[in-house]
Order: sequence, then C-alpha cells, then structure tokens
Amino acid sequence: DAKTTQPPSMDCAEGRAANLPCNHSTISGNEYVYWYRQIHSQGPQYIIHGLKNNETNEMASLIITEDRKSSTLILPHATLRDTAVYYCIVRVVYNAGNMLTFGGGTRLMVKP
Amino acid sequence: EAEVAQSPRYKITEKSQAVAFWCDPISGHATLYWYRQILGQGPELLVQFQDESVVDDSQLPKDRFSAERLKGVDSTLKIQPAELGDSAMYLCASGDLYGYTFGSGTRLTVV
Repeated sequence: DAKTTQPPSMDCAEGRAANLPCNHSTISGNEYVYWYRQIHSQGPQYIIHGLKNNETNEMASLIITEDRKSSTLILPHATLRDTAVYYCIVRVVYNAGNMLTFGGGTRLMVKP
Repeated sequence: EAEVAQSPRYKITEKSQAVAFWCDPISGHATLYWYRQILGQGPELLVQFQDESVVDDSQLPKDRFSAERLKGVDSTLKIQPAELGDSAMYLCASGDLYGYTFGSGTRLTVV
C-alpha cells in the first residue's frame, strides 16, 4: 500500500471547520483513500473513504485532488469531541485480505 | 450496531508471566487482525487471519507471541513470557470487503 504523509498536529477552534491534509503521491489507480480516527484510549473508528470523487457522510467530507496525490478530510463544524488522532490510509478495497497500514496520523486538538 | 468485542479491557501483569487477550469479531467477518499500538504511535499489524488460517504473521514475535482462531470465529492472542516492552494497547479488528471495525482494545501494562 502507498505511504501517506500527514502533519503531526493541528489545532482548530470549536465550531469552525477542521481541514486535515494528507499526501499520498505514490497512490495506485486501484487504491482508495481511507480515513480513521482514534479518540484517546479507544480503537480506531472509520470515518470515510473514497477513490476519485469527493465523498460526504454524516461525519465528514473527503476532498481528493484530480491527480489523486493528496486529499483533505473536512469536519465542517468541529466540536470538542472531535479531538483525536486522525489517520489517512490508502489501500486496495474489495479485498478483505488487504490490511490497513497506519502512519503516525494527525493529532487534532479542538479548542473552545 | 455490530461491534468487535475484546477482553479484558485492562491487564496488569508481571514480567515473565503469561497473558492472554480475547477477541470476538463481528458475525460473518472472515478476516481478523491483531494490532499492537505503543503509546504515541499508530497501530502495527501483528497477525492476520482469514477464517481459521493465518495469512500474515511476519511481524509477530514468535518466540513469545502466539495467536489462534480455532473455529474461524473468536481469537486469542497470547504472550509468554511477557516483557516490559510489551506494554501497549492490543487491538483486534474484523473486516469484510468494504472496511474494518476495531474493538476498544486491551491495555497491557507489564511491571
């Protein structure tokens, strides 16, 4: 699976949008971009994933650049409960045998 | 919502003792993973099962760690003997074609 690069930490004001970037310049055509987050002392939680098009669900939006070499996870109205480590992962989907390879992630601190 | 169950939630053990962790994946998920997460780092894969078979255990320290999934459902990860450096969160995840769900993990402290 392709390697990803994320900033180690970010701050965001409560109620504002949090934009978390991820670089994946060596991504292959059949690899999807996944985002997970991990709140302190809990297991990672799935947020969203996408291939080429932008995706949105009840938790977040995922913006993938046209060349697919980078993406941004957007939490539109960050709350204190969104404070967590966010992991960007690329992997081939539709193959349950492909594991998730985690990097260091971005530690997002939402401040009042 | 279906969950991956892990127990115990916390475990304190003395070095050189044996310790075991249990995981019950989401029903129907053939793939099961054990990850280890050292404080401040991302999770690292230890072992991957497909049904009852080990698919990848290249990162499992086999001199002291063992994992089994005898009936292709729940799984046990064992450490014997435990060392101070084994202190970490041990996470279990199960998945299908579309994604993975993680359990809450077992926090191991070796003293």
